[in-house]
Amino acid sequence: KAGVTQTPRYLIKTRGQQVTLSCSPISGHRSVSWYQQTPGQGLQFLFEYFSETQRNKGNFPGRFSGRQFSNSRSEMNVSTLELGDSALYLCASSLAGGLDTQYFGPGTRLTVL
Amino acid sequence: GQQLNQSPQSMFIQEGEDVSMNCTSSSIFNTWLWYKQDPGEGPVLLIALYKAGELTSNGRLTAQFGITRKDSFLNISASIPSDVGIYFCAGHQNTGNQFYFGTGTSLTVIP
Repeated sequence: KAGVTQTPRYLIKTRGQQVTLSCSPISGHRSVSWYQQTPGQGLQFLFEYFSETQRNKGNFPGRFSGRQFSNSRSEMNVSTLELGDSALYLCASSLAGGLDTQYFGPGTRLTVL
Repeated sequence: GQQLNQSPQSMFIQEGEDVSMNCTSSSIFNTWLWYKQDPGEGPVLLIALYKAGELTSNGRLTAQFGITRKDSFLNISASIPSDVGIYFCAGHQNTGNQFYFGTGTSLTVIP
């Protein structure tokens, strides 16, 4: 079974731009969660999508948004990029969220200049 | 959000030595997971624990779900160079219905 895939793997943007990251979950998994990982803050939960609906949200500003498609693929968007948005963005999929074990993708490394 | 404290923050050990790291919280969790992350990659699941007191092994790795449900530990026996990486614990609570991650333990194995 293929694992979680994320595209692109690396991205360089400048302040003020916007970016869209993509995540394809493991086949059959309906829950996709997004995390931001930085050296100082560790893994911070952004949001979780299940059946095309945002089911849970972390403590991030509205510039961070996401969506999920009917095939469970998910996208994350960050608008008006700031230098502090530079991070590894990870998505994790699970069967139905909640207590279900999460499996991570390789991440998208975003650098904001 | 909930804070999971991992210790130690970093470890430098000789190849062949055993390793022990733990994760503690002031809150109760109902699931504990342990992940390993290599540089530039996403975390890979090592062991999942679902029941207080549960002891689970995966090869040279052994993890336990603390009886109080506020802690978990991970042991690695007879370490090898490929054990190098950052180890994260993650706990799940019904409140908030999300996983919270520990701060990570960086492991270096000296051949």
